Amino acid sequence: EAGVTQFPSHSVIEKGQTVTLRCDPISGHDNLYWYRRVMGKEIKFLLHFVKESKQDESGMPNNRFLAERTGGTYSTLKVQPAELEDSGVYFCASSLPWAGELFFGEGSRLTVL
Amino acid sequence: AQSVTQLGSHVSVSEGALVLLRCNYSSSVPPYLFWYVQYPNQGLQLLLKYTTGATLVKGINGFEAEFKKSETSFHLTKPSAHMSDAAEYFCAVSDLNFGNEKLTFGTGTRLTIIP
Repeated sequence: EAGVTQFPSHSVIEKGQTVTLRCDPISGHDNLYWYRRVMGKEIKFLLHFVKESKQDESGMPNNRFLAERTGGTYSTLKVQPAELEDSGVYFCASSLPWAGELFFGEGSRLTVL
Repeated sequence: AQSVTQLGSHVSVSEGALVLLRCNYSSSVPPYLFWYVQYPNQGLQLLLKYTTGATLVKGINGFEAEFKKSETSFHLTKPSAHMSDAAEYFCAVSDLNFGNEKLTFGTGTRLTIIP
């Protein structure tokens, strides 16, 4: 069974440009999470979907970040316009409800120059 | 609010020696505690978790951790390090409001194994 997949694995863009990260969760997992790790710091929660609904978006840094999960399957995270401080690794995770375990993807590394 | 402190961003041990990675947490509710590992060029993988019951938890690859409420700790140990254990380890806490397994992570500890 395929795990959580993320695309692209690495993206390098200039300040002011737009980037869209994609996450395909494990099939059947209603819960989908986005996390971010800025270099040398902790992995921080960004938001949580249950199917297509945003359950908790308390960790989203600002309105330059937009997450969607149309149809409750894959999710995208768009950063527009990107700033230098947005650089980091963006992790996606999925889980079954009540399972108590998140399955993580390999992450998308974003570098903003 | 919950928080996690991992003492030592880098730990080096000799092959065959004891591995001890420290984790202390802060939580206003009974915590659910996790250790995740990230091998190079891979995603985060669950090593072990504590939810309820026995406070000594065994995980994959010979790792175990003990939940000590009085010390608010959840240190990770392995009796004998192997070269393949070289990775970054993350401790995390959740109040597991079921349906939302939102995790609060520590800053991570990079483990190096010396041949």
